Amino acid sequence: DAKTTQPNSMESNEEEPVHLPCNHSTISGTDYIHWYRQLPSQGPEYVIHGLTSNVNNRMASLAIAEDRKSSTLILHRATLRDAAVYYCTWLGGSQGNLIFGKGTKLSVKP
Amino acid sequence: SQTIHQWPATLVQPVGSPLSLECTVEGTSNPNLYWYRQAAGRGLQLLFYSVGIGQISSEVPQNLSASRPQDRQFILSSKKLLLSDSGFYLCAWSVGVGEGQPQHFGDGTRLSIL
Repeated sequence: DAKTTQPNSMESNEEEPVHLPCNHSTISGTDYIHWYRQLPSQGPEYVIHGLTSNVNNRMASLAIAEDRKSSTLILHRATLRDAAVYYCTWLGGSQGNLIFGKGTKLSVKP
Repeated sequence: SQTIHQWPATLVQPVGSPLSLECTVEGTSNPNLYWYRQAAGRGLQLLFYSVGIGQISSEVPQNLSASRPQDRQFILSSKKLLLSDSGFYLCAWSVGVGEGQPQHFGDGTRLSIL
């Protein structure tokens, strides 16, 4: 199973950066780290993924520790629309499927 | 661009009734398709996985079944629903398995069994 450890919840102010941490000490050397987020009553939304190097896209940045046992999702300027549950995971299921833990519920205050 | 559609968005069914949930993907060919169930406080559970038409792998034995009659159509069915089938059902697609390809989800179906 894709066992990850994330804070249950975090708070941020609008327009400020947010760093969402994740520990994934059991990940294999070839598994990509994925981040998804989910709004209430919606399907998960892909955010970003990476293997070893830090990654940037239009939504976020992903900083991966050198030993790959942890990573941090960075939202550079939080908006109210970023309030969601954020999951870090990898394709660790027997069918290359995702396994979500409980994730981090991010609240953004105006 | 690729899109995924799931319907219905919500469904209330009596115990023992049949079920059919449909998922279609547009804008890509030969996707990998997945049915997941997300129960409150229990994370994401893979139900079925398909790499092509007529090819279905079942991850969890239960009273649900899946079919893929067309390349971009994935259907979740049951002949007789149980109370324990309540949950949030999600369809997802991905392209290939190399490079840790991300999965893209539909908006889900909230199924309540009475």
